[in-house]
Amino acid sequence: EPEVTQTPSHQVTQMGQEVILRCVPISNHLYFYWYRQILGQKVEFLVSFYNNEISEKSEIFDDQFSVERPDGSNFTLKIRSTKLEDSAMYFCASRVGTTTNTGELFFGEGSRLTVL
Amino acid sequence: DAKTTQPPSMDCAEGRAANLPCNHSTISGNEYVYWYRQIHSQGPQYIIHGLKNNETNEMASLIITEDRKSSTLILPHATLRDTAVYYCIVRDDKIIFGKGTRLHILP
Repeated sequence: EPEVTQTPSHQVTQMGQEVILRCVPISNHLYFYWYRQILGQKVEFLVSFYNNEISEKSEIFDDQFSVERPDGSNFTLKIRSTKLEDSAMYFCASRVGTTTNTGELFFGEGSRLTVL
Repeated sequence: DAKTTQPPSMDCAEGRAANLPCNHSTISGNEYVYWYRQIHSQGPQYIIHGLKNNETNEMASLIITEDRKSSTLILPHATLRDTAVYYCIVRDDKIIFGKGTRLHILP
């Protein structure tokens, strides 16, 4: 069964360092998402991406964050200068949907980011 | 914010049906009801979705009231592996997660 894969599974970094989290969405999917979950809290939407551009982003997704689909298979989330409060599990998701409001999201298993 | 209301937690005996309610009184005509679950800290997992008809798949059944203002997710024979947080979501494009219902399956 096709799945969304994420790397690394766990990354530890120093405050102020740049981090790139990588995702390989399911191959025929068109919509891509990043979510995060701070320990003990709910899953929060960060950004959605379609047709090589951001379609929607939340207040959390400030100038320190960026997303990219560099090569048609990977979908990356970059945090330019990490802060302690960026420590969280980051989930990538994708869906095939040809229109909005349809198609289930398939989530990866997450990348745990720990900022020291 | 999430457009749904769910009880924070529920218990269900192993082998029994788990019925998880959800209120979505402000749902609009073209919005679907989706259910996901998150087992421990794993990635959320899709369960089922529907618009206005009842739906069933290999995991669960979804019962949507005629006025579409509420729905119930039914796990017909709950097992210990169904212990998770269950999210009822009214969908426009992105999925917005609320706090969900923490379902405890009791042996």
